[in-house]
This record gives sequence, C-alpha cells and structure tokens, in this order.
Amino acid sequence: EADIYQTPRYLVIGTGKKITLECSQTMGHDKMYWYQQDPGMELHLIHYSYGVNSTEKGDLSSESTVSRIRTEHFPLTLESARPSHTSQYLCASSDPAAEPTDTQYFGPGTRLTVL
Amino acid sequence: EDQVTQSPEALRLQEGESSSLNCSYTVSGLRGLFWYRQDPGKGPEFLFTLYSAGEEKEKERLKATLTKKESFLHITAPKPEDSATYLCAVQGASGGSYIPTFGRGTSLIVHP
Repeated sequence: EADIYQTPRYLVIGTGKKITLECSQTMGHDKMYWYQQDPGMELHLIHYSYGVNSTEKGDLSSESTVSRIRTEHFPLTLESARPSHTSQYLCASSDPAAEPTDTQYFGPGTRLTVL
Repeated sequence: EDQVTQSPEALRLQEGESSSLNCSYTVSGLRGLFWYRQDPGKGPEFLFTLYSAGEEKEKERLKATLTKKESFLHITAPKPEDSATYLCAVQGASGGSYIPTFGRGTSLIVHP
C-alpha cells in the first residue's frame, strides 16, 4: 500500500482566499505530481517535480504554484481561490529509477469547494 | 500526442456476470500502460502495469491484457465490491518527461 498523504481531505473556503494543499510521501520517491479531477473527467496535470528544487508546469498550472524543498513534501498553493477552482485535487508520486518504468501512487485527494 | 480512450463510459453488471473494459491508446514508444481502480471521493488505487504486447497480469477477479493498440481489463464473476471507476493510463517515451496520459475511466456498477 502506498504511503502518500494529503491534507486537508475536505476544504470549503470563500472567494479570494489563499490556500495551501499539503502532500507528503514516505516512499522516498523523487517524482511528485498534482492533478485536478472533475467528476467523469480525466485527470489533468497541474504541476510536477523531478526532485528537490525542481518544479514543472502542466496543463492547468497558470493559477497555482508549487514548491519542493524536501523530497517528501510537495505543497500546492492557490493565491486567490475562485469558484472555478472547485474540484478534487490529487497528489501522486513515483520512483523514476524503477525499471522498466515508474508507476504512480496516489494520495486520497483533497475535495475543494470555493464559494 | 498520447491519447487514451476508454469504453464503455459506464457498465452495469449483475453479480457473477463476467465482462471486459476496453482501453484504446495511441502513444509514441510505449513505456507502460497502467490500470487503476478509483472509489468515489478517493484517489486512484494502482492495479497493474503492462509493458509489452502479449503481456497479461491477474489479481483476484481481474485480468489485464495488452496488444499494440489496446488493453482489456477482464472481470470474472464480479461482486458488488468491484463497483468503482477503472482508469487506464499510458506512459510514452516522447518528450522525455514520461508523464502518463489518463483516460476518462469506465464506471462499473455490479448489482447483487
């Protein structure tokens, strides 16, 4: 079973608030990811990281930022939340050294509602 | 650009009624094809990774197979606890980032 954690599990906030979604993993994986998922839709990549001090933008990254100061920790920040940010946010990690390829393991998700 | 199409979008089965879910894909240099199970309000749970055409993997009532264009997830004699959304993803070699592309999933409901 994968050891990857997300907090909070549920969050309801007002428009304009700054929020940080937390993600931690204890597997020592170098690669970490953030996805956004709406009901019945595919996962959309927001950000990913190859390791400490490495961050890359995905398809939906323009309204959020991430940091990777420690291997195990990959927080996602929304500077000013809007109702369009209402969604499920999923964090994942993988070991790029795994052969023949790396498999992603997901956290339980954060359900965000912006009023 | 890698693409994944899953069918059907939704499937209702009676307990014990075997069936298959399909994942059609196009990818430049397949590194891996992944199957996940996702329960409502939770993150995807890893099931299988397939690497090359002809490969098969099994876990309890589930069996995943792979060809050069598609993968099937066969469910034998399903039980109500198999009800979930099943996601397929492919990881291609193009671009170098090796970020998987996901399909929209198949929502499976198994009635007792």
